[in-house]
Amino acid sequence: DGGITQSPKYLFRKEGQNVTLSCEQNLNHDAMYWYRQDPGQGLRLIYYSQIVNDFQKGDIAEGYSVSREKKESFPLTVTSAQKNPTAFYLCASIQTGQNTEAFFGQGTRLTVV
Amino acid sequence: GQSLEQPSEVTAVEGAIVQINCTYQTSGFYGLSWYQQHDGGAPTFLSYNGLDGLEETGRFSSFLSRSDSYGYLLLQELQMKDSASYFCAVRNMDSSYKLIFGSGTRLLVRP
Repeated sequence: DGGITQSPKYLFRKEGQNVTLSCEQNLNHDAMYWYRQDPGQGLRLIYYSQIVNDFQKGDIAEGYSVSREKKESFPLTVTSAQKNPTAFYLCASIQTGQNTEAFFGQGTRLTVV
Repeated sequence: GQSLEQPSEVTAVEGAIVQINCTYQTSGFYGLSWYQQHDGGAPTFLSYNGLDGLEETGRFSSFLSRSDSYGYLLLQELQMKDSASYFCAVRNMDSSYKLIFGSGTRLLVRP
């Protein structure tokens, strides 16, 4: 079955450590996204990519980095520069075109202690 | 800048009808989408309005008025399982494919 896989589902890290969240899709979608969600809040855009080897900063990119070396993969690194990294992270993808039906992974809940 | 505003919380009783509004400030977008998210889960797509007017999908309907910068999601015959958060979203009408979401509305359905 086609879909988006995020791993791991839960992640614990010590403060000051970088951590990379995985996002893989086999939907053959061109565009991929990373969002951060805090408790009771909306989805805030971190980074997005519409094509391999190209990506743009979203609204809250500071302290994060991404790469898009393959169409199906869009990993997110939470760096030590991110002041408050504990959150729920969601990866999404859409096929290019006008319809904005995005498909989401199940999310990674990151806790930094 | 771009922003989509939604009420933070709505409460309704089972079997009733509820409307969740979304007002936006953005220039040039393809259409308005709606997503549902249960606690701890991933958002799932509900509907899309590319043109002004009403789109109906079963118990859910969605409306868009570009002239009023306004849209809404209408849920009929509410069920307990409809208790969730609902988000509106738009994608820019440029080459960037930037996709932004509203602040979300938490719907609580009571017996």
